[in-house]
Amino acid sequence: QSALTQPRSVSGSPGQSVTISCTGTSSDVGGYNYVSWYQQHPGRAPKLIICDVSRRPSGVPDRFSGSKSGNTASLTISGLQAEDEADYYCCSYAGSYTFLFGGGTKVTVL
Amino acid sequence: EVQLLESGGGLLQPGGSLRLSCAASGFTFNNSAMNWVRQAPGKGLEWVSFISASGGRTYYADSVRGRFTISRDNSKNTLYLQLNSLRAEDTALYYCAKQSGRAAPGMGWFDPWGQGTLVTVSS
Repeated sequence: QSALTQPRSVSGSPGQSVTISCTGTSSDVGGYNYVSWYQQHPGRAPKLIICDVSRRPSGVPDRFSGSKSGNTASLTISGLQAEDEADYYCCSYAGSYTFLFGGGTKVTVL
Repeated sequence: EVQLLESGGGLLQPGGSLRLSCAASGFTFNNSAMNWVRQAPGKGLEWVSFISASGGRTYYADSVRGRFTISRDNSKNTLYLQLNSLRAEDTALYYCAKQSGRAAPGMGWFDPWGQGTLVTVSS
């Protein structure tokens, strides 16, 4: 299975909004509402920021939001802050009891 | 506080074997499904393996099936990953991650993660 497709990088100025797409197929992203998103700062372990497509765990700022349309899931960061500069990964159930990650997107705060 | 602490990484030659451990604390380990996820240097995340809370169900990525074995000792609150027939492409930071949300394989999410243990396969 190939990784889910994410843009290599996105950027925005503080206060702006950025959206990261995560494109799969009907066998993964499009077939299930089991998409999660992870934030990873350099040298750190990944951290869950969105589960079940659009649910935000306790403690995650509400400027992070998730959605899905067809085979594409999206993560939007509204009101971009300096500390949001990190790598972001989507993950989906891919059938046959397996998970599939996206290739990752580097978010740069200008 | 939930904590996961991996250990056992190292430098090995191709074809070698290694066992990774993940010591868990701060939650009811024997009620929790667990996963291993790896990250090659400078690359993205790759799911490796899942094990149910009892240890009775295990699943693997195609890239490691038949070479890696996941297991757990609930009496020791420890998760393991046995790596055999290692290849250069197995070089990665290996994370253990608690499966949260739903116990069914693939239908939960990873939270939290350990800090990882580095496996390097090189001649």
